[in-house]
Amino acid sequence: KAGVTQTPRYLIKTRGQQVTLSCSPISGHRSVSWYQQTPGQGLQFLFEYFSETQRNKGNFPGRFSGRQFSNSRSEMNVSTLELGDSALYLCASSFRTGMNTEAFFGQGTRLTVV
Amino acid sequence: GDSVTQMEGPVTLSEEAFLTINCTYTATGYPSLFWYVQYPGEGLQLLLKATKADDKGSNKGFEATYRKETTSFHLEKGSVQVSDSAVYFCALPLWAGGTSYGKLTFGQGTILTVHP
Repeated sequence: KAGVTQTPRYLIKTRGQQVTLSCSPISGHRSVSWYQQTPGQGLQFLFEYFSETQRNKGNFPGRFSGRQFSNSRSEMNVSTLELGDSALYLCASSFRTGMNTEAFFGQGTRLTVV
Repeated sequence: GDSVTQMEGPVTLSEEAFLTINCTYTATGYPSLFWYVQYPGEGLQLLLKATKADDKGSNKGFEATYRKETTSFHLEKGSVQVSDSAVYFCALPLWAGGTSYGKLTFGQGTILTVHP
């Protein structure tokens, strides 16, 4: 069974540009979550989608958005990039969500804003 | 709110030494607890989990016991290897109103370096 696939692995963008990151979950998984990882803030939750609906959102500005397609693939978009958006963006998928459900992570997309 | 606290500061050990990484949590109810590992340049991998009090999760020689009375989930390994060098994260799922909306709350991570 293929794991969570994130593309691209690396990105370099200029301040003010926008970027779209993609995540393909494990087959059959309907929940996709996104996290931002930085040395200073650690792992921070961005948002979660389940069956194309955003059910939970972290404390990030509106420049960060996402969506999920009918095949459970998800994209996140960051508009008007700032230097502080440089981070590793991780996607995780789960078959369902509940107190006992673990998440499976992709390798991440390393975004560098210059 | 729910939170996880890991021991601060990197851990440096010699090969075959005993490892303990402390993790304490605050949670509503009794969610599962997880340890994730991140190797250099990689995403997170689930290392082990425990789903209820007194459960012991184990994998690859690592163990952690869900202690409700001390709200702890410390990670241990009897004999570490150079290949165990990585960042370790303790985590618990957000659980509110009877639903977990796919959010994991992570500790700050502990960098483990094992020297030959």
